[in-house]
Amino acid sequence: DTEVTQTPKHLVMGMTNKKSLKCEQHMGHRAMYWYKQKAKKPPELMFVYSYEKLSINESVPSRFSPECPNSSLLNLHLHALQPEDSALYLCASSQSGGDTQYFGPGTRLTVL
Amino acid sequence: GQSLEQPSEVTAVEGAIVQINCTYQTSGFYGLSWYQQHDGGAPTFLSYNALDGLEETGRFSSFLSRSDSYGYLLLQELQMKDSASYFCAVRGRSSGSARQLTFGSGTQLTVLP
Repeated sequence: DTEVTQTPKHLVMGMTNKKSLKCEQHMGHRAMYWYKQKAKKPPELMFVYSYEKLSINESVPSRFSPECPNSSLLNLHLHALQPEDSALYLCASSQSGGDTQYFGPGTRLTVL
Repeated sequence: GQSLEQPSEVTAVEGAIVQINCTYQTSGFYGLSWYQQHDGGAPTFLSYNALDGLEETGRFSSFLSRSDSYGYLLLQELQMKDSASYFCAVRGRSSGSARQLTFGSGTQLTVLP
C-alpha cells in the first residue's frame, strides 16, 4: 500500500471555527510532513514529525497545531484562521530522511 | 540554504520531446528529485538522481551534473496527460529545516494536440 489518505477533501470554515485535518499512511514510514501550497506555487514545508516527535516547525503561526497520535496518523488542528490561510494542505510521508516523499491528495481549505 | 530555478512555462506538442531544466545553488545535498503535479492533484514522485548522470524510467529521464549545479527532466513521446506542473527538489545535508526537501518554483508544461 503506497497511499497516503487525507480527510476531508474540501473544508470551508469561518475565522472563529475549530477544525482538524487528518492524514494516514500504512507504509511504515517514520517521517510525516505537513505542507501548505498556494496556487501556482511549490509546496511550503510547515511541520515535520520524525518517529512521532515534532522535529521541524517552520515558524508556523500557533493557529496551526500539529499532532501525531501514532506512527500512521497525523493531524493538523486549525483555530482562528485568517482568509490568507486558504490553500491546499498536503500531507506526505517518507522513510526517515528519505528523498522520496509520498503525498496525500490534500485538503482544499477555504477560510471565509 | 538551497535555491532552485526552473522555467515557469514550457509548451510542446504531442509526440515531441521536452526538457525541463533545474539550476540550483546549495551548500550540499543528497540528490535531485522530480515531482509531477496535475491541477488539483497531489505531487507525485517521478525520479531521483543521487549521482551524476542519467536515470531512465520509461518515457521520463532525469539528469544531474553536480559540477554544473544543473539537472533536467526529459519527457519523451509527450502525451496530453503529461500537461502538469513539474518541480525539482533537493534535500540538504545541513541540519534542521535545511535537511528537508526544498522545491523549485515549478514548471507548467502544456502539451498541445
